[in-house]
Order: sequence, then C-alpha cells, then structure tokens
Amino acid sequence: EAQVTQNPRYLITVTGKKLTVTCSQNMNHEYMSWYRQDPGLGLRQIYYSMNVEVTDKGDVPEGYKVSRKEKRNFPLILESPSPNQTSLYFCASSVGTSSNQPQHFGDGTRLSIL
Amino acid sequence: QKEVEQNSGPLSVPEGAIASLNCTYSDRGSQSFFWYRQYSGKSPELIMFIYSNGDKEDGRFTAQLNKASQYVSLLIRDSQPSDSATYLCAVNRGTYKYIFGTGTRLKVLA
Repeated sequence: EAQVTQNPRYLITVTGKKLTVTCSQNMNHEYMSWYRQDPGLGLRQIYYSMNVEVTDKGDVPEGYKVSRKEKRNFPLILESPSPNQTSLYFCASSVGTSSNQPQHFGDGTRLSIL
Repeated sequence: QKEVEQNSGPLSVPEGAIASLNCTYSDRGSQSFFWYRQYSGKSPELIMFIYSNGDKEDGRFTAQLNKASQYVSLLIRDSQPSDSATYLCAVNRGTYKYIFGTGTRLKVLA
C-alpha cells in the first residue's frame, strides 16, 4: 500500500530535550515536505526537499532541522524544543517531477512540549 | 493580507444541495491550485487540483479557476453528510513551496 508513515504519532516531552520525528514514504517520490498545523493558522510549510541531499526552508523553519540522506526518509529534528513548537505535524510527499504535483500526507504527529 | 484566504465558515448546506467553497490568492504568479479535504483529527487528502483557467470536473466535484480575478472555487454537487469536513485550498507559485489557506468548515445537514 502506498503511504507516508510518520513516527511517533503522539509525543509529550519537555523543553530542551532533543527529538526526532521520522517520515518515510514507499512511493519513490522525489519531493518531501514537513508542515505544522495550528488552530487559526492553518498548514504552514517548515522545510521541503526536492531530492536526496537537497533541502530548503519553508515559511516557518526556525527551530527545526531536516536531512535527506535517502530518498524514502525525511526526518524532522527539534534540537531544543520549546513550548511554541507544540503543534500537529504532517509529512507529505509527491512525485516531484514538477512543482505542480499533489501531495500525499502522513497521518500526523501530535507534539506537546511542556 | 494573507497570501491564501478562505472563509472559515462553518458553511451549512442541506443534504443534496450544492456546496460552494471559495479561495482567493494574492500572488499573480501562482501556477497550481489544490483542494484538500480534512476530517477532524485526520490528515489532508487530495480532492482536486487545477492548473488552467476554467472548470475541471471529477464526479461530484468541480474546481473553477479564474486567474484574472485570483480565485479558485470548489463546488460539491449532491452534498452528503459524509462531505462534512474542513476544505483546504493550497497554492503553488511554481516553486516547491506550498501555501495553504486556513480552511473552510463545511457542514452538510441531513
């Protein structure tokens, strides 16, 4: 089954404790992206990757890091999480041969930073 | 001004009616437009995408794009209670960045 898999689905942690949210896709997609969704603000793009070793900032990259060492994986790293990073996070992927491709979303990760 | 704007709703329509959802965008260079449906607590799922001016139909859904007026709309014919969800409009400017609206909540009343 074609899918985007995120882990963990839920996480409660404390300020300053480094965490990684993993994202993996099995569709051989070139493009992958991370979003956060907050009430009243909608989905905002954090980082995206057009291909292996190629990443770029979205609209809200502060406090986040990403890497794309393999085509299928695109982890999101919070080196020193803060309460304002409490949010619902989605990973997405698309074929990526052009920028006009629709995205497939993972099931989401709900992060609470205390 | 937000780059992509949607009325937050809720938009309430009776079962069987046509639901009309609208989205305006500010960047004239925007090239592709997407409608996603998101049920509460779930991830967005693609409904339709459109690149060219005019209408695009897929089953009960029709996307309409007017680049001159900078709006894109989604019509849902024969609305069903299962269509009750939040509908997200997304815009791509020809780069790999996507801008989402905050969504319109649709309620279809049985």
